[in-house]
Amino acid sequence: TQLLEQSPQFLSIQEGENLTVYCNSSSVFSSLQWYRQEPGEGPVLLVTVVTGGEVKKLKRLTFQFGDARKDSSLHITAAQTGDTGLYLCAGASGGSYIPTFGRGTSLIVHP
Amino acid sequence: DVKVTQSSRYLVKRTGEKVFLECVQDMDHENMFWYRQDPGLGLRLIYFSYDVKMKEKGDIPEGYSVSREKKERFSLILESASTNQTSMYLCASRSLQGASQPQHFGDGTRLSIL
Repeated sequence: TQLLEQSPQFLSIQEGENLTVYCNSSSVFSSLQWYRQEPGEGPVLLVTVVTGGEVKKLKRLTFQFGDARKDSSLHITAAQTGDTGLYLCAGASGGSYIPTFGRGTSLIVHP
Repeated sequence: DVKVTQSSRYLVKRTGEKVFLECVQDMDHENMFWYRQDPGLGLRLIYFSYDVKMKEKGDIPEGYSVSREKKERFSLILESASTNQTSMYLCASRSLQGASQPQHFGDGTRLSIL
């Protein structure tokens, strides 16, 4: 069974601070997605990364896929209260129908 | 945009009842999934379907069954609801077009079994 370890599990910061969330595995993934889930809602896709070493930016969010495609990070610059939510990573490998999800990082940004 | 619609946002049922959770997607996706989400445990896969009338057990299928008679609809059935099935249930769909296709989720059904 493939596992995706996310860290930290919880993060509570002040508005304007920077943060990084990590997603690590011993397995190689052909692609990896990051989702954000707000309370009472379903997860919403933020980004997909597919190439080792790839870096993608979405406004203040920077996503990186590790060179070996076993890990990924999400960096948020100057966090805002609207960034509050649960951040999930999910990896897919080969032709599998089933992605592997991390347990999520719960982020609270205080005004 | 893909739309995945779950029939109820909140549902309260009694122990022993048969409960139906419905999910409909509008993008002709082949794959559909049912997860439950509990604090500290993340998303756990109950069942998935890779196409119409096809179904496979996920990690925690006990106490659940599913039905996929039409491509757009995937139903989760709690045969005899128990209090330990109180949870947030999430449905998702995914296209098979390309290996890196993401899942698209509904807004979830928060189910309480009394």
